[in-house]
Amino acid sequence: GQQVMQIPQYQHVQEGEDFTTYCNSSTTLSNIQWYKQRPGGHPVFLIQLVKSGEVKKQKRLTFQFGEAKKNSSLHITATQTTDVGTYFCAGGAEDRLAFGKGNQVVVIP
Amino acid sequence: GAGVSQSPSNKVTEKGKDVELRCDPISGHTALYWYRQSLGQGLEFLIYFQGNSAPDKSGLPSDRFSAERTGGSVSTLTIQRTQQEDSAVYLCASSLGGTGVYNSPLHFGNGTRLTVT
Repeated sequence: GQQVMQIPQYQHVQEGEDFTTYCNSSTTLSNIQWYKQRPGGHPVFLIQLVKSGEVKKQKRLTFQFGEAKKNSSLHITATQTTDVGTYFCAGGAEDRLAFGKGNQVVVIP
Repeated sequence: GAGVSQSPSNKVTEKGKDVELRCDPISGHTALYWYRQSLGQGLEFLIYFQGNSAPDKSGLPSDRFSAERTGGSVSTLTIQRTQQEDSAVYLCASSLGGTGVYNSPLHFGNGTRLTVT
């Protein structure tokens, strides 16, 4: 069945630095969605990518969807303490929306 | 507008008892999902509804778990004869659904934290 893998699972990032988190699917996806879950909170939708090679930006966040529509990345620049949390990707296919296990990010002030 | 509402927010129950968790989706959202999240873990898919029918029940862990949805709106997740390993946060989400249902972003509720003692 469809599987979505996220790497790394954990990151410690110095405030002000950049980091990237990756999402890989075993199958071609119709779309990829990214969610953020703050500590103690629930996942909140960030963005959806549907086109091959698509790149979208939200302020300091840059999201990419791979050409083969099997992988995606989230790059955050100039990390702030508010970026702490777990970032989930979810890959949409014909019969399922599969979530990765998440990338837990800790920001070091 | 109102988001996804879940109740109760916290539930403590004794092992062996039954519990019912409720989810009120966003008005107009035809798709509804239940996920389970253990402490520090990812999202475990349980079940998905399109309208009142459940095309995908593959994630229900055992026959002690069941869910229903009525009127294309409110859903209840029932866990019978609870066990300690059922302790987790149960998250409900809704989306616009329709064709290409897996293309619609999910809107999550705050979850129900279930503790089985």
